[in-house]
Amino acid sequence: DVKVTQSSRYLVKRTGEKVFLECVQDMDHENMFWYRQDPGLGLRLIYFSYDVKMKEKGDIPEGYSVSREKKERFSLILESASTNQTSMYLCASSLPRGNRNEQFFGPGTRLTVL
Amino acid sequence: KQEVTQIPAALSVPEGENLVLNCSFTDSAIYNLQWFRQDPGKGLTSLLLIQSSQREQTSGRLNASLDKSSGRSTLYIAASQPGDSATYLCAPSGGSGNTPLVFGKGTRLSVIA
Repeated sequence: DVKVTQSSRYLVKRTGEKVFLECVQDMDHENMFWYRQDPGLGLRLIYFSYDVKMKEKGDIPEGYSVSREKKERFSLILESASTNQTSMYLCASSLPRGNRNEQFFGPGTRLTVL
Repeated sequence: KQEVTQIPAALSVPEGENLVLNCSFTDSAIYNLQWFRQDPGKGLTSLLLIQSSQREQTSGRLNASLDKSSGRSTLYIAASQPGDSATYLCAPSGGSGNTPLVFGKGTRLSVIA
């Protein structure tokens, strides 16, 4: 079974802190994604990556950056956390187009910024 | 830009009923479409994936159909159970390259015992 793990289930940070959210997948997937989920707004794509050291902006990249130094790990970075970044963060991975391309999700990190 | 609509937003049914969840999307040039389940406070679990060349996929009591030309997909749940209570999301992926999924806001299903 594909396994996508996220470093924390719950996280509480202060405004202005630098926050790292880590995601690891164990199925050698090329594609990895970061979403945030908010009530009434659904899932929105923040950043994605199709290969190591490669990144693409999603729909709402402002205030975030990412790092992909190894194929299995995709990190989301909040350079200076703000209260409007309080949200559920979900990581996902998949094989590239041309394969089954099914996307698998981690359990999520509920981030609260005070 | 792809837009995905799921109707109804919420649904409450008695146990044992068969039900249909609807998903419509504006751009029919999709590569595939996934249906997911999400329990409160949890991540998404993939239920079914339909490739653009397929018309339907089945897994147990679940059947998903795809009509790409009309921009519609349905998820049929047979003989619903209280354990089916969750939010169900559909997400098509774009037809060109490795375009990410675009999600609907989901249908929140409650199955009453």
